[in-house]
Amino acid sequence: EPEVTQTPSHQVTQMGQEVILRCVPISNHLYFYWYRQILGQKVEFLVSFYNNEISEKSEIFDDQFSVERPDGSNFTLKIRSTKLEDSAMYFCASQAGYSNQPQHFGDGTRLSIL
Amino acid sequence: AQTVTQSQPEMSVQEAETVTLSCTYDTSESDYYLFWYKQPPSRQMILVIRQEAYKQQNATENRFSVNFQKAAKSFSLKISDSQLGDAAMYFCAYNQGGSEKLVFGKGTKLTVNP
Repeated sequence: EPEVTQTPSHQVTQMGQEVILRCVPISNHLYFYWYRQILGQKVEFLVSFYNNEISEKSEIFDDQFSVERPDGSNFTLKIRSTKLEDSAMYFCASQAGYSNQPQHFGDGTRLSIL
Repeated sequence: AQTVTQSQPEMSVQEAETVTLSCTYDTSESDYYLFWYKQPPSRQMILVIRQEAYKQQNATENRFSVNFQKAAKSFSLKISDSQLGDAAMYFCAYNQGGSEKLVFGKGTKLTVNP
């Protein structure tokens, strides 16, 4: 069964550095998402991406964050000038169509900011 | 804003027994979808079951069924004949029609005892 894959599984970065988290969605899916889960807290929506542009974003997704689908297969989340509070699990998800279709999640990337 | 509440941080069940996980949500919308996701220790979130709000009939997937009480805004998950492989974090999630994001509860950690 097709899966969403995320790399790396664990990323350790110094505070203030830029980090790029990578995701390969399921190939025929049209909607792409990033969520994050701070340890012990809820999974939170960050951003959705459709037709090569952001379609919805949360208040968490400020100018520090950006997303890109550079080559038609990868979907990346860039965090500029990371902060300690960016430490979390980051999940990528993809979806074939609209609301009634389930979102398929990757294994996540654990981001640790030192 | 929509919220999802899972009041049971942890639950345990004996193998082959039945367990019910609770979920309530708050919304003023009439068009929405509800989901239960399972996150085993391997971390990938897997869709267990989904329910469209306009459907009165409770969704069922093999040993998994829901009790959807729209007026009470309740969406509990029943797992019958529990198996060791059912041990995981279970997340209840809400998706409003016309929006793309999932709103998650904090999760319930299910332990299955042999």
